[in-house]
Amino acid sequence: AQSVSQHNHHVILSEAASLELGCNYSYGGTVNLFWYVQYPGQHLQLLLKYFSGDPLVKGIKGFEAEFIKSKFSFNLRKPSVQWSDTAEYFCAVNAHDMRFGAGTRLTVKP
Amino acid sequence: DAGITQSPRYKITETGRQVTLMCHQTWSHSYMFWYRQDLGHGLRLIYYSAAADITDKGEVPDGYVVSRSKTENFPLTLESATRSQTSVYFCASSEASDIYGYTFGSGTRLTVV
Repeated sequence: AQSVSQHNHHVILSEAASLELGCNYSYGGTVNLFWYVQYPGQHLQLLLKYFSGDPLVKGIKGFEAEFIKSKFSFNLRKPSVQWSDTAEYFCAVNAHDMRFGAGTRLTVKP
Repeated sequence: DAGITQSPRYKITETGRQVTLMCHQTWSHSYMFWYRQDLGHGLRLIYYSAAADITDKGEVPDGYVVSRSKTENFPLTLESATRSQTSVYFCASSEASDIYGYTFGSGTRLTVV
């Protein structure tokens, strides 16, 4: 079965700083990749997804992610974070069913 | 997100009791899923269903039972609750198993005392 690793458990940034959250997966075949966001007290919402084509995908709220097949990575980026981006971010891999990483908590200080 | 409803939102139960968490979706999605969310573990798949009367185990199925007699409902039952099952449970649905992202319900916070 596929598995997902998120390297950063908690990231603290100031507003306007750039963000990159790491995600690596292990699976030998074709996968579909996702990033979800969970705002405090809320359920998960889809940020962006990749399943084919351009490895650089753009999502909502200015987020983007790059799929690097050779590195089994799908890192999430945002050029300039806002206080409202404070949330938990989950990378997920779907080969047969969706498997999630442990999550990265992002705190943005105003 | 109004299309997938979980109930109850909060539940406290005693060890050994049976408890059922409900999930209802209005989109007629084929696939439905149950996850539990625990600190440090992210979300772990308990069970999923590809269609009515078709269910399969996920990563952590022990102690749980599911059924899917109708496409729109996917209840999760803890047959004899244990403290280790204290968690937040999320139901999700999807049109297909792999291409589309999942849509999640608001979750049920279950405490077993």
